[in-house]
Amino acid sequence: EDKVVQSPLSLVVHEGDTVTLNCSYEVTNFRSLLWYKQEKKAPTFLFMLTSSGIEKKSGRLSSILDKKELSSILNITATQTGDSAIYLCAVLLASNYQLIWGAGTKLIIKP
Amino acid sequence: DVKVTQSSRYLVKRTGEKVFLECVQDMDHENMFWYRQDPGLGLRLIYFSYDVKMKEKGDIPEGYSVSREKKERFSLILESASTNQTSMYLCASSFVGTGADTQYFGPGTRLTVL
Repeated sequence: EDKVVQSPLSLVVHEGDTVTLNCSYEVTNFRSLLWYKQEKKAPTFLFMLTSSGIEKKSGRLSSILDKKELSSILNITATQTGDSAIYLCAVLLASNYQLIWGAGTKLIIKP
Repeated sequence: DVKVTQSSRYLVKRTGEKVFLECVQDMDHENMFWYRQDPGLGLRLIYFSYDVKMKEKGDIPEGYSVSREKKERFSLILESASTNQTSMYLCASSFVGTGADTQYFGPGTRLTVL
């Protein structure tokens, strides 16, 4: 059975800290891995990662896929209260373009 | 910018009622999806559609049906709402092929079944 597991499930840090969120997967037909940020509404797209292993960066956020370990990390440096959200990881299957979702990591940034 | 809209942000219904949730996208996407999201369970796929009048069951289709009569519109139907269908419902859309990796989400409908 295809599955995506995120850890930790929740995380509380102080503003300015650096955090690393983890996503591991076991799927039969991998195409890409995606990270989304969800605040009080719908998820918004952050990054798409493929087996190329190329790191993606956007401001204080960065992410990379380890195809050997079947996992990905999302790093946020110099965290701000606006980074508080649920971070969702999903794997897109090549066979049918369905997304397999992790349960998410709830990140709380304390001022 | 891609826009995905859903008919209601909040909805309260009674057990046994028939409930319609509508989703419309304006980017000519072939794929459309309905998910429900519950705390600790992430997003779970209910149904998806890859073309007009085409539908496929997702992970949890029981108690739901869908309709896609036009490319831009994908409806989720709860034939007889039950309290365990209280949830956040999210609609998404994407292209087929290049660009299919990114699904664009609507704002969600928070449904409460009493």
